[in-house]
Amino acid sequence: GENVEQHPSTLSVQEGDSAVIKCTYSDSASNYFPWYKQELGKRPQLIIDIRSNVGEKKDQRIAVTLNKTAKHFSLHITETQPEDSAVYFCAARSGGSYIPTFGRGTSLIVHP
Amino acid sequence: GAVVSQHPSWVICKSGTSVKIECRSLDFQATTMFWYRQFPKQSLMLMATSNEGSKATYEQGVEKDKFLINHASLTLSTLTVTSAHPEDSSFYICSARDQQQRGETQYFGPGTRLLVL
Repeated sequence: GENVEQHPSTLSVQEGDSAVIKCTYSDSASNYFPWYKQELGKRPQLIIDIRSNVGEKKDQRIAVTLNKTAKHFSLHITETQPEDSAVYFCAARSGGSYIPTFGRGTSLIVHP
Repeated sequence: GAVVSQHPSWVICKSGTSVKIECRSLDFQATTMFWYRQFPKQSLMLMATSNEGSKATYEQGVEKDKFLINHASLTLSTLTVTSAHPEDSSFYICSARDQQQRGETQYFGPGTRLLVL
């Protein structure tokens, strides 16, 4: 089955800095990669996703890049704000399954 | 966007009792729902996949007789934790998927925090 590794487990940045979270996956058949943001005690919310037919996708301060050859994808947050503080989960889903495999999560802390 | 609700949002119960958690898709029909368990500061662990009108598919290590799942309609799935024990205390989150209308995205419910005394 799919295995998703996520790093770092904790990321602390100053407000205004950029934050990068990296994930690797094992199944070369995976073709859908969503990212979720989960604030403390709340539900995970989809913030951005990318499919395997593109290498990069951007939505305002958030961008995701995908390297299919290396089987890794990354989340980039620019101009971080305190409200970006949360746990971020990457996930990978194979074309043969509709169940994504989640990474372990990254706790992002943005200091004012 | 799609809305998924869960009820109750939190529950405290005595050891040995059963607890039922409901997951509803409010504005779309969910042919498939998923039940996750999340311990503090840990990732989402898939427990089972709930398919409307058929038996749930449980992940390895999840006891199907302890975590009963029923998906009787296209908008409702229930998870019953039977004979709950303190080690069952956790945050239970459901998610729903509507392949026809919403593509591949999973929409999560707000979660149910269970505390077993």
